[in-house]
Amino acid sequence: EAGVAQSPRYKIIEKRQSVAFWCNPISGHATLYWYQQILGQGPKLLIQFQNNGVVDDSQLPKDRFSAERLKGVDSTLKIQPAKLEDSAVYLCASSQNLKETQYFGPGTRLLVL
Amino acid sequence: AQKITQTQPGMFVQEKEAVTLDCTYDTSDPSYGLFWYKQPSSGEMIFLIYQGSYDQQNATEGRYSLNFQKARKSANLVISASQLGDSAMYFCAMIAGGTSYGKLTFGQGTILTVHP
Repeated sequence: EAGVAQSPRYKIIEKRQSVAFWCNPISGHATLYWYQQILGQGPKLLIQFQNNGVVDDSQLPKDRFSAERLKGVDSTLKIQPAKLEDSAVYLCASSQNLKETQYFGPGTRLLVL
Repeated sequence: AQKITQTQPGMFVQEKEAVTLDCTYDTSDPSYGLFWYKQPSSGEMIFLIYQGSYDQQNATEGRYSLNFQKARKSANLVISASQLGDSAMYFCAMIAGGTSYGKLTFGQGTILTVHP
C-alpha cells in the first residue's frame, strides 16, 4: 500500500513570494491533516479535512494561508505572501477516519529568505 | 486543553540495551489515545505504537512497548535491544475525545542516540 505522498520535498523562496504544497493521502483515507513543524518543536495542526470539508482550521493563519481538498482526495496548502517565520517543515498526514491513527508523508522543507 | 510533556531533550543508549523515553500527559477527557512517533533525520514521522485510555493491557509492537500508568498520566516508550537505526527524534502525542476531531497534540520530542 502506497504511503502519503508530498511534493515538493524542498522549497526555497524569498519573503512575500507565494508557494504551494501538494499532498496525496493513502487511498481510502477520509481524513487529511496539514501540520507545521518548526525546527526543534513538535508538529502543530494547521487544518484538518474530513472528505472535502474542513473540520478544524482554528490554527491556520487565514490572512496568508489557504488550503483545499477538492473531490476529497488530494490537497494543496498555499502560503501567500510568505514571511520569514513560515520557514518550517510542512507535514501532511491521513487517517481512515476521525481519531484513527495518522500516517505522515515525508514533508516539505520550506526556507523563506 | 490537552498537553504532552517530554522532559528528556536527549537520551543516549548503548547498542543492544533497552531505553525508556518519558512522556506525561494532561487532559480532562476520559477518552483519549496516546501515540508514539519516530522522526529520523529524513523528516518523515513514522507511527510506532498506540495506547487507548480504556485499554487494559500495555501496548506492544515488536521491540516497542508502552508503559501506560493511567493514575500517573504517563505513557513511557520502552525500546528493547536498541539498534543503530533507532537513532532519531521521538515524539509522544495524544488525541483526546470530546469535541476534538482528531487533532494530535505533540510533545517537544526526545532525541535518542544509539552508540555502537
